[in-house]
Amino acid sequence: QKEVEQDPGPLSVPEGAIVSLNCTYSNSAFQYFMWYRQYSRKGPELLMYTYSSGNKEDGRFTAQVDKSSKYISLFIRDSQPSDSATYLCAMIATDKLIFGTGTRLQVFP
Amino acid sequence: DSGVTQTPKHLITATGQRVTLRCSPRSGDLSVYWYQQSLDQGLQFLIQYYNGEERAKGNILERFSAQQFPDLHSELNLSSLELGDSALYFCASSPQSSGNTIYFGEGSWLTVV
Repeated sequence: QKEVEQDPGPLSVPEGAIVSLNCTYSNSAFQYFMWYRQYSRKGPELLMYTYSSGNKEDGRFTAQVDKSSKYISLFIRDSQPSDSATYLCAMIATDKLIFGTGTRLQVFP
Repeated sequence: DSGVTQTPKHLITATGQRVTLRCSPRSGDLSVYWYQQSLDQGLQFLIQYYNGEERAKGNILERFSAQQFPDLHSELNLSSLELGDSALYFCASSPQSSGNTIYFGEGSWLTVV
């Protein structure tokens, strides 16, 4: 079993939809949780960074962490075609950084 | 712009050859990471350096090696190249050795023909 599981998609939604991207993990030592966005053939760009359980909001993006269920989510409100990209979750334990495999999102006009 | 600089952006070379990819981390960052991303593959961690010393090693082939210099820039050397080595190679950096978010460069796109 992988330490971090992420549905590869692709996920295709119409413009304006609410998007939910998710990762599950098995290692309870993970303390920091991040979401990266990667456009095709570009470097991953850090979107959100959270530490504790709960929600963190930044504009149209909300990151949610549920440590009891070992489950993290990224919600995108009012999705735009420019949000079309691959979204990777990442997690940090004391000395380990693990990435999910990424979910490909396509927002069509 | 993440502040991490990678060169070259694109590289085409023949099988059996050797190439060097270069990375300059963000100002003040002591850790440098190298990742490989092939088509339809996730980010594969290769190796991490912290302040000049190897900190962690991932799925790095013996034909690959890396180092971090006193000015903190890093180089990834790929030798005896094979077709399967064609990939995007990313460098990332962070301030500390662990427990921090990392920031990626734009990548070096290597094509082996």
